[in-house]
Amino acid sequence: AQSVTQLGSHVSVSEGALVLLRCNYSSSVPPYLFWYVQYPNQGLQLLLKYTTGATLVKGINGFEAEFKKSETSFHLTKPSAHMSDAAEYFCAVWGFQGAQKLVFGQGTRLTINP
Amino acid sequence: DSGVTQTPKHLITATGQRVTLRCSPRSGDLSVYWYQQSLDQGLQFLIQYYNGEERAKGNILERFSAQQFPDLHSELNLSSLELGDSALYFCASSVGRGGKLGGYTFGSGTRLTVV
Repeated sequence: AQSVTQLGSHVSVSEGALVLLRCNYSSSVPPYLFWYVQYPNQGLQLLLKYTTGATLVKGINGFEAEFKKSETSFHLTKPSAHMSDAAEYFCAVWGFQGAQKLVFGQGTRLTINP
Repeated sequence: DSGVTQTPKHLITATGQRVTLRCSPRSGDLSVYWYQQSLDQGLQFLIQYYNGEERAKGNILERFSAQQFPDLHSELNLSSLELGDSALYFCASSVGRGGKLGGYTFGSGTRLTVV
């Protein structure tokens, strides 16, 4: 069973447009969810995380994500894309099938068109 | 600077050779994770250590091995290298055993090219 599914390996938006990157997860227990960003030739950097509490989570660089239990989703959004947002984005879930570690999705490459 | 240090940043070696990649975790972190990232395979989990002990194994080849030392730094050894081993190798660390609350902190990676 797939633990984390990121819909769309490539997403392209215009500068100033809404960014929406989709992530669905499989988990039989309350999930701990994360979004990471990887800029070219760099390591992964934590954008935001959901552990408990408020389901709308705000992260760095104007990104936010909403945990929706009924939809098993944790989509990442940003109201207005900037050229500097071009990067690869990874969704991750902790604890899938009892494993005490993060499991990452396949990543979504975000391209920003001027 | 994330606090996780990986050396070397770049490595070029020939097929059949052996290399060692080094990782120093962020201060205070006890867990170390190794990942391989390639264009065709994406981000693949290799192995995890917690305070010197192996905790979990992923898609790590038998030609690869790793260890975590008493000072908590870790080394990933890759032997009998093949062209297909060319990739970015990342190390990450976390405070606890699994990074449940804080996630992982990643280093900037070692780019391995096998020629």
